[in-house]
Amino acid sequence: DVKVTQSSRYLVKRTGEKVFLECVQDMDHENMFWYRQDPGLGLRLIYFSYDVKMKEKGDIPEGYSVSREKKERFSLILESASTNQTSMYLCASSSGQGGQTQYFGPGTRLLVL
Amino acid sequence: GEDVEQSLFLSVREGDSSVINCTYTDSSSTYLYWYKQEPGAGLQLLTYIFSNMDMKQDQRLTVLLNKKDKHLSLRIADTQTGDSAIYFCALDRGSTLGRLYFGRGTQLTVWP
Repeated sequence: DVKVTQSSRYLVKRTGEKVFLECVQDMDHENMFWYRQDPGLGLRLIYFSYDVKMKEKGDIPEGYSVSREKKERFSLILESASTNQTSMYLCASSSGQGGQTQYFGPGTRLLVL
Repeated sequence: GEDVEQSLFLSVREGDSSVINCTYTDSSSTYLYWYKQEPGAGLQLLTYIFSNMDMKQDQRLTVLLNKKDKHLSLRIADTQTGDSAIYFCALDRGSTLGRLYFGRGTQLTVWP
């Protein structure tokens, strides 16, 4: 079974703090993704990566950056957290071959005070 | 308008069939997916259909694809309270980088 893990289930940070969200997958997948999920807005893609050190902006990259130094790990960074970044953050990975099925982690619920 | 549209809410009685609909604008997808999200959890893949198929059945789940009308549906037979969740349709739109495009999700509530 594919396993995607996220470093925290719940996180509380203060405005202006630098926040790191970590995601690890154990299936040697090429592609990794970061989404945020807000009620009524569904999933919105922040950034994705199709290879080590490669990244592409999604639909809402502003205020975020990412890092992929190793194939299995994809980090989302909030350089200076703001209250409007309070959300559920979901990480996913896919193999990049054949179908594009994405496998999701359990999510990190971030509260910025 | 949205590229992938779903109704936000659906309520059914336990034992009835549920039909969740999804319409889309781009016809270039190879695979079309249905994901389920239970409260407080990530998304789990329920099923998918290849674009050259019209129907796929998997136990209580039936997926119908009408390419002409750009309409995808998920039918859940004998719906149970455990089926209460958010259901997302997703399309690849021919992406070569693995990107999927999601609808906003349909909240299914099953009443006993």
